[in-house]
Amino acid sequence: GVTQSPTHLIKTRGQQVTLRCSSQSGHNTVSWYQQALGQGPQFIFQYYRKEENGRGNFPPRFSGLQFPNDSSELNVNALELDDSALYLCASSLDGTGGYTFGSGTRLTVV
Amino acid sequence: EDQVTQSPEALRLQEGESSSLNCSYTVSGLRGLFWYRQDPGKGPEFLFTLYSAGEEKEKERLKATLTKKESFLHITAPKPEDSATYLCAVQAYGNQFYFGTGTSLTVIP
Repeated sequence: GVTQSPTHLIKTRGQQVTLRCSSQSGHNTVSWYQQALGQGPQFIFQYYRKEENGRGNFPPRFSGLQFPNDSSELNVNALELDDSALYLCASSLDGTGGYTFGSGTRLTVV
Repeated sequence: EDQVTQSPEALRLQEGESSSLNCSYTVSGLRGLFWYRQDPGKGPEFLFTLYSAGEEKEKERLKATLTKKESFLHITAPKPEDSATYLCAVQAYGNQFYFGTGTSLTVIP
């Protein structure tokens, strides 16, 4: 499946954070989502074969990387209180069909 | 504006009482519509992908259907273990993904 680390994280406003995701074996597409409590996930961006090929309505301080082994990172700079949320990673083969989600990283910004 | 709307927000059913969840969408070019199940504290679990109007898919007590403007998730004779939040999502051209806010289903024994 998809594994994410860490599971929980507390950061201070203004800091930077890196969240990590290991895709399901054989998957070459990874997408990241932000899910606030009681809301549906909001699409941040998607990487396919290490290139960003889709981006939602998030500012440039949200950035990502996808590595050759199909693991990926979500980086958030200049953290704001509203960035507190569950961050979900999902992977698929070629961006088609259903995506497999990880259990998420719960980020709290204080 | 591209958006996905789910209804109802919450649904309580007696065990065995069938019902349907609705997902209406407005997107500029549908590449696929997804249904997921999400349990508290976990990531969404994939259920179905639908690609074109008229398509239907089934899995155990669940059946998903798609028209040009909406999708339904039909739950037949639900059991308590079907209790979860059901999320609808669409993939639009340009690799944009939009999720609804979900329907919280509670099945009472």
